[in-house]
Amino acid sequence: KAGVTQTPRYLIKTRGQQVTLSCSPISGHRSVSWYQQTPGQGLQFLFEYFSETQRNKGNFPGRFSGRQFSNSRSEMNVSTLELGDSALYLCASSTDPDTEAFFGQGTRLTVV
Amino acid sequence: KQEVTQIPAALSVPEGENLVLNCSFTDSAIYNLQWFRQDPGKGLTSLLLIQSSQREQTSGRLNASLDKSSGRSTLYIAASQPGDSATYLCAYYPHSGNTPLVFGKGTRLSVIA
Repeated sequence: KAGVTQTPRYLIKTRGQQVTLSCSPISGHRSVSWYQQTPGQGLQFLFEYFSETQRNKGNFPGRFSGRQFSNSRSEMNVSTLELGDSALYLCASSTDPDTEAFFGQGTRLTVV
Repeated sequence: KQEVTQIPAALSVPEGENLVLNCSFTDSAIYNLQWFRQDPGKGLTSLLLIQSSQREQTSGRLNASLDKSSGRSTLYIAASQPGDSATYLCAYYPHSGNTPLVFGKGTRLSVIA
């Protein structure tokens, strides 16, 4: 059974650009969550989607957005990138909300 | 405020030692609690899930317990090995529902051969 797949694994972008990250959940999982991880702040929640609806949103500026498709795959977009957006972005999937979460390997975003 | 504290922040032990990692939380109304391990630069690997009606879970050399009344969970690792070196994170779903996992900052474990 394939795990959670995040693409791309590594990304280097310039300040002011935008970026789209992709997450394919485990087959049969309908809930997808996104987290930002930095050395100083630890894991911070971005958003959660369930059956194509945003169920929760963390305290991030509007430059961060996401969506979920009918096949449960999810994307997150960051516009007008800032140096502080450099982080490991992690996606987790679960069968339903509040059930065991399985994480992908993450996308390492570097903004220069 | 929902908060998870993991003590110690870092731990170094010789190979073969049994060890306990601690996790405490301020929210008494928790739903499921999950322990993860993270290797440097990688994603999180789920180790154990303790569901709301359970008090402990075991997988191989790992045993996790949950005491909701005292707001604590412990992860016991038996006969530690160098391959156990990683950061261990504790996280829970609040019982209030409609709330994402609340994470601690983790314990960085080094097992010395």
